[in-house]
Amino acid sequence: AQSVTQLDSHVSVSEGTPVLLRCNYSSSYSPSLFWYVQHPNKGLQLLLKYTSAATLVKGINGFEAEFKKSETSFHLTKPSAHMSDAAEYFCGGTYKYIFGTGTRLKVLA
Amino acid sequence: NAGVTQTPKFQVLKTGQSMTLQCAQDMNHEYMSWYRQDPGMGLRLIHYSVGAGITDQGEVPNGYNVSRSTTEDFPLRLLSAAPSQTSVYFCASSYSVGATDEKLFFGSGTQLSVL
Repeated sequence: AQSVTQLDSHVSVSEGTPVLLRCNYSSSYSPSLFWYVQHPNKGLQLLLKYTSAATLVKGINGFEAEFKKSETSFHLTKPSAHMSDAAEYFCGGTYKYIFGTGTRLKVLA
Repeated sequence: NAGVTQTPKFQVLKTGQSMTLQCAQDMNHEYMSWYRQDPGMGLRLIHYSVGAGITDQGEVPNGYNVSRSTTEDFPLRLLSAAPSQTSVYFCASSYSVGATDEKLFFGSGTQLSVL
């Protein structure tokens, strides 16, 4: 089985500062993990996906995530936040495509 | 290219009523699933299907039924609606599960209110 835990329900950053959205996982086997984003009143879009090919995964819109087995983490980062990054972000695993509870990112001008 | 189509977009029900949320995809995807999205609880898997004739329960299956008679369609049935089923429902599909280049395609959602 597999589960994910998003450690923060809300994150606020200033425009131009780094973004860190945290996700821990639990899995009895080598996991396949992903991040999706949902902009207000929009559908869900895949940001990036880890499938064991490389521990650092680059996604769309400048986001990346690093798989750390020793820490059972798959945190999402971006060097510089943009106003358009304000959205809800979901970490998850491809075992039954289970999602976390989400992190709402607010970007302050 | 329609992708994943959900109908209706909005629905209001009275407690005890039944209804079916429709989901259809035109991408020949084997995997289909239903989620509900509630504030602070993320997306919770209700039921999923890995192919025609095969369905299984997700995290929150109680109060919902599904069937998969064709590859294209995966309807979600509420047998006796309850206020706790007020939510936004998303249907999703994927060619398969676990393949390295696969991803979920989502419908636009159905906003359901049960009074």
